[in-house]
Amino acid sequence: EAGVAQSPRYKIIEKRQSVAFWCNPISGHATLYWYQQILGQGPKLLIQFQNNGVVDDSQLPKDRFSAERLKGVDSTLKIQPAKLEDSAVYLCASSFQARGNTEAFFGQGTRLTVV
Amino acid sequence: AQSVTQLGSHVSVSEGALVLLRCNYSSSVPPYLFWYVQYPNQGLQLLLKYTTGATLVKGINGFEAEFKKSETSFHLTKPSAHMSDAAEYFCAVSEDSGGYQKVTFGTGTKLQVIP
Repeated sequence: EAGVAQSPRYKIIEKRQSVAFWCNPISGHATLYWYQQILGQGPKLLIQFQNNGVVDDSQLPKDRFSAERLKGVDSTLKIQPAKLEDSAVYLCASSFQARGNTEAFFGQGTRLTVV
Repeated sequence: AQSVTQLGSHVSVSEGALVLLRCNYSSSVPPYLFWYVQYPNQGLQLLLKYTTGATLVKGINGFEAEFKKSETSFHLTKPSAHMSDAAEYFCAVSEDSGGYQKVTFGTGTKLQVIP
């Protein structure tokens, strides 16, 4: 079974530039998550989709971050404009269902450096 | 609101020694509890999870954890550390919330194994 795919793996941009990350979840997984992991911290949920609908975006900085999940499959996370504090690893994860006892499967992440 | 506390951001053990990584949680409902491992430049991988039933759960790579409701703890152990166990470990608590899963991660514990 193919895992969660993310691209790019690494990205370096200047502050105020824009950037986009792509995620392809495991086939059949209805729930998709985007996490931000700052160095030395645990993953912080940015946005959670159930199929193509947003169920939680309470911690997404909506003035600069946006995300979509077209057709309930692939997802894109965008930052515009980027700030220095956005430097982090962005993890995409998916799970089969929305139940609390379901584990998430993670991609390898995209390491973003804003200079 | 749910929360997770991992005591000790860094733990060092000698190869062959007992590994003990501590996790305490707070949850208003019966929780589901997870341990994930993250190797350098990788995403998170599930080690084990507690949902219901037996409070001692066994995971991959010889790890196990015990759910202790009275202590609100879910500590991770392994009898004998191996060099390949060096990684960062994250405890997570999950709840069913409004028809979807709400997950909170701890800040992580980096395990160093000394030869």
